[in-house]
Amino acid sequence: EDQVTQSPEALRLQEGESSSLNCSYTVSGLRGLFWYRQDPGKGPEFLFTLYSAGEEKEKERLKATLTKKESFLHITAPKPEDSATYLCAVQASGGYQKVTFGTGTKLQVIP
Amino acid sequence: DSGVTQTPKHLITATGQRVTLRCSPRSGDLSVYWYQQSLDQGLQFLIQYYNGEERAKGNILERFSAQQFPDLHSELNLSSLELGDSALYFCASSVDRGITEAFFGQGTRLTVV
Repeated sequence: EDQVTQSPEALRLQEGESSSLNCSYTVSGLRGLFWYRQDPGKGPEFLFTLYSAGEEKEKERLKATLTKKESFLHITAPKPEDSATYLCAVQASGGYQKVTFGTGTKLQVIP
Repeated sequence: DSGVTQTPKHLITATGQRVTLRCSPRSGDLSVYWYQQSLDQGLQFLIQYYNGEERAKGNILERFSAQQFPDLHSELNLSSLELGDSALYFCASSVDRGITEAFFGQGTRLTVV
């Protein structure tokens, strides 16, 4: 069964203090790995798709990387508006294209 | 704004009742996904439709059913509701059924009392 584990569950950073969120996954053939941002009471907002090991994508202060077993979301010099829950999800290859989500990392950036 | 519209935003109902949640996908998107999010479970995939046909099923209870109509909007029907069904229900849409980025609606918060 596909599994996604995110760590830490919660992270508190000072504004400007860079850090990384981890997403470890087990999937029978990776079709793609997604990162989403979710604000309280709202729907997840798509950030990145990564397809293969070694791939990297950037958007503003966020950079996502992928290896064969895990993905990292690096946050450089975060601002309070980056506070949210960050979700990782994997889509397996094959005929049944189920997407499995992790439970997320709740990030709080303090001014 | 993701372009995915869900109604209603909030729903309070009693145990044993039946409710219908509605989703309008982004213009041009053929796939619709339904997810349930509760505090202790995270986002759980329920079901996917592509261009009117069921494509994938996740952890959807037999009391729950869904359909996608010719105009591509989708409805999720929840019946014989239990207290444990209280959750946020999200709809997402994407262009196709392959490797896709899904765009989520704002959700329907269901409270069963």
